[in-house]
Amino acid sequence: DADVTQTPRNRITKTGKRIMLECSQTKGHDRMYWYRQDPGLGLRLIYYSFDVKDINKGEISDGYSVSRQAQAKFSLSLESAIPNQTALYFCATSAAGASQPQHFGDGTRLSIL
Amino acid sequence: QQPVQSPQAVILREGEDAVINCSSSKALYSVHWYRQKHGEAPVFLMILLKGGEQKGHEKISASFNEKKQQSSLYLTASQLSYSGTYFCGTGRIQGAQKLVFGQGTRLTINP
Repeated sequence: DADVTQTPRNRITKTGKRIMLECSQTKGHDRMYWYRQDPGLGLRLIYYSFDVKDINKGEISDGYSVSRQAQAKFSLSLESAIPNQTALYFCATSAAGASQPQHFGDGTRLSIL
Repeated sequence: QQPVQSPQAVILREGEDAVINCSSSKALYSVHWYRQKHGEAPVFLMILLKGGEQKGHEKISASFNEKKQQSSLYLTASQLSYSGTYFCGTGRIQGAQKLVFGQGTRLTINP
C-alpha cells in the first residue's frame, strides 16, 4: 500500500460545484502539504500544516480551504470550483526538520468544465 | 519568489553528462531536488543545507553555494532512467520546511 494516498485519482466536475480532495498517510509524519501543478509552472504550495492544530496558507490559497482531521488526514476543498482550478493536485508529507524530504502522493487530476 | 531553473529543457544521448541549475534572488537555507516521471509523483533525490556541502547519490550529485543562492545538480554518464522533469525546491528559514519550487527542467535521454 502507498504511504501517501490521495483520493480520488481523477475527477471531472462542473463550474460551481463543491469538491473535496482527500489525503491520508501511514508514515507517521506531522507535516502535510497540498500543492498544485500546472504545466510550466512547477509545484505551487496551496496550504500546509505542521500539526493538527496548525494550518497555514501557501502561495495560492485563494479559492481553497483545508481541514486537518487527524495527524494522518489532510483534506483540500474547492468551495465553488472554477475552470482555472483545473490542474494536477499533490499531497505531500514530511517529518519535522529542514533535512527531511517531502513524500508525495500519486496526485489527483482535476478537470473543471 | 520562485527560483529559476536552467536550462528549461535538455536532450542528451545516453552516457552524456548534464548540469541543471537553480538560482534564487533570496537567501536560502536549504535546497531540495526531486525528479518527476510523466504522470507520476515527484520523487526525492537529495537535500543540501546551508554550509556548501556537496552530496552524491550514485552518478547524481549536487552542490549548494549559499553566497550566490545557487544550487546545481550534476548527472554523470546519464542513463535512460534519468529522463524526467527535475525540480528544485528552496527553503529560506531553518526548520520551516516550506518550499518554493522552480518551474522544472525537462531532461530527455535518448539511446
